[in-house]
Amino acid sequence: DAGVIQSPRHEVTEMGQEVTLRCKPISGHDYLFWYRQTMMRGLELLIYFNNNVPIDDSGMPEDRFSAKMPNASFSTLKIQPSEPRDSAVYFCASNSWGRSYGSYTFGSGTRLTVV
Amino acid sequence: QKEVEQDPGPLSVPEGAIVSLNCTYSNSAFQYFMWYRQYSRKGPELLMYTYSSGNKEDGRFTAQVDKSSKYISLFIRDSQPSDSATYLCAMSVTGANSKLTFGKGITLSVRP
Repeated sequence: DAGVIQSPRHEVTEMGQEVTLRCKPISGHDYLFWYRQTMMRGLELLIYFNNNVPIDDSGMPEDRFSAKMPNASFSTLKIQPSEPRDSAVYFCASNSWGRSYGSYTFGSGTRLTVV
Repeated sequence: QKEVEQDPGPLSVPEGAIVSLNCTYSNSAFQYFMWYRQYSRKGPELLMYTYSSGNKEDGRFTAQVDKSSKYISLFIRDSQPSDSATYLCAMSVTGANSKLTFGKGITLSVRP
């Protein structure tokens, strides 16, 4: 299994541009999570999906952020327009919540820099 | 007050030392408690988990949960330079809501 695959690994963009981050979860996992990590705030949950349906998007900072999961093997996180304060590492994670517990498998992250 | 508070770092110890990492939390509904390890420029990976109160041991690592005090700990015995990483505690409520709430993490450096 290749694990959770995120692309791109690094993204540098100018303020005001649209940014799209991509994630391929582990096959068979029915939960997908988008997190943002910064030194100041740590790991923050932005949104998560169960069976491709958004369950909780209360962590999405503002309307500039949107996320989709058109099928079980693909999700996107879009920022439009981007701002310098969006600079962070964005992680995608997936898991399968069984009868007892599930453990997240994280991707390697996308390091976003908005200048 | 954040739901999960983790001791600030960084922490530097000599090789062979016993390391104690701690988190406190405010939400009494948390039932699952986990420790993730994150190496530089990588995603976090699950190290240990415990359900409800008690201890769990895995090799050099021991996780403790005290629900009455809302306090969890991770102990590392005979620490190795390869243990140098950021350690994050994480917690979850049982049921359909499976989202994890993470502490900010503490960076550990084990000096040879």
